[in-house]
Amino acid sequence: DAGVTQSPTHLIKTRGQHVTLRCSPISGHKSVSWYQQVLGQGPQFIFQYYEKEERGRGNFPDRFSARQFPNYSSELNVNALLLGDSALYLCASSQGTAWSAAFFGQGTRLTVV
Amino acid sequence: SQQGEEDPQALSIQEGENATMNCSYKTSINNLQWYRQNSGRGLVHLILIRSNEREKHSGRLRVTLDTSKKSSSLLITASRAADTASYFCATPETSGSRLTFGEGTQLTVNP
Repeated sequence: DAGVTQSPTHLIKTRGQHVTLRCSPISGHKSVSWYQQVLGQGPQFIFQYYEKEERGRGNFPDRFSARQFPNYSSELNVNALLLGDSALYLCASSQGTAWSAAFFGQGTRLTVV
Repeated sequence: SQQGEEDPQALSIQEGENATMNCSYKTSINNLQWYRQNSGRGLVHLILIRSNEREKHSGRLRVTLDTSKKSSSLLITASRAADTASYFCATPETSGSRLTFGEGTQLTVNP
């Protein structure tokens, strides 16, 4: 079975641009969460979607948005990129809530120049 | 706010030795989870211990949980060079919407 897949794996953008990151969860998983991990730190929660509805939002500006599609895949969008948005963006899928084990993709390394 | 904090931040040992990492958290939890991350890649779930459990084993991993002290420890026995990675503890919020991670322990196992 395929694990969580994220695309692209690496991305370089210029300040002010927009970026879309994509995630496909494990088959049968209905929950997708997004995390941002800055170098040397632990992952920080951005969003959780369950059954296509937003169930949680972390302390991130409105420039960050996400959605979940009928097939449970998800997109994370970031507008007006800042240098500080450079990070590894991780997608995690789980069967339900964060109370169960999360399965992470390999991440998208975003560099903003 | 940071829920989990790992200690030590970095640990370097020789192959065959045991490695112990500690995690402290601040609020009541449903469970506590440990994850491993190899060099900037995705996280891999290692073990989940529920709040009513005190100890759990999985292969060379042993996790303990002390809810009175709000702390957990991860023990890796007979370490191998392949165990070199960052290890994070994570706790789910009561709502179940998110995991809150600590800063991690960077483990280096020297051959």
